[in-house]
Amino acid sequence: GAVVSQHPSRVICKSGTSVKIECRSLDFQATTMFWYRQFPKQSLMLMATSNEGSKATYEQGVEKDKFLINHASLTLSTLTVTSAHPEDSSFYICSARPQGEVQPQHFGDGTRLSIL
Amino acid sequence: GQQLNQSPQSMFIQEGEDVSMNCTSSSIFNTWLWYKQDPGEGPVLLIALYKAGELTSNGRLTAQFGITRKDSFLNISASIPSDVGIYFCMGAQKLVFGQGTRLTINP
Repeated sequence: GAVVSQHPSRVICKSGTSVKIECRSLDFQATTMFWYRQFPKQSLMLMATSNEGSKATYEQGVEKDKFLINHASLTLSTLTVTSAHPEDSSFYICSARPQGEVQPQHFGDGTRLSIL
Repeated sequence: GQQLNQSPQSMFIQEGEDVSMNCTSSSIFNTWLWYKQDPGEGPVLLIALYKAGELTSNGRLTAQFGITRKDSFLNISASIPSDVGIYFCMGAQKLVFGQGTRLTINP
């Protein structure tokens, strides 16, 4: 089945640091990838849609300069949390949809980000 | 952001019992998806529904796409310990998740 790999699985860093999270589709090409954030005991909230070769589309309330998204190839999207602060601590999850398919998405295993 | 109304929010059952959860929305969806999330991991797809009225099974799991296209339910029969986790519905094309149903099984 479709596999999505997310790296790193856990990051602990100091306030002010920028953190990059990678999302790779291992056995399929994805023109579209999605980035979600999940706070403890809450559901997943879509942050942005990553489009290969073009700018990402951000959901309302998500700062595009804070959460930089790059989708340079059909198998890789990156999310960079710039100048991270404790309130950015969360579980970040990516998903990818095989090219040509409407649904469903396949999710990575998430990245636990802890900002001290 | 927009969310689906998923219920119940939590369930505490005995092993072997059947489980039922549902999602409703004021909006119409073309696709309903059901995912399970274990602690510290990403969601895993359980069942995908593409047609109003569709009833689909995956082992002990059965899900239905409501005829109005505004709701869906998921049933788990004869629950076992590995069914523990959080179950999410998702209305596709709008990428909206339900609030989740946390399933706990008492041995």
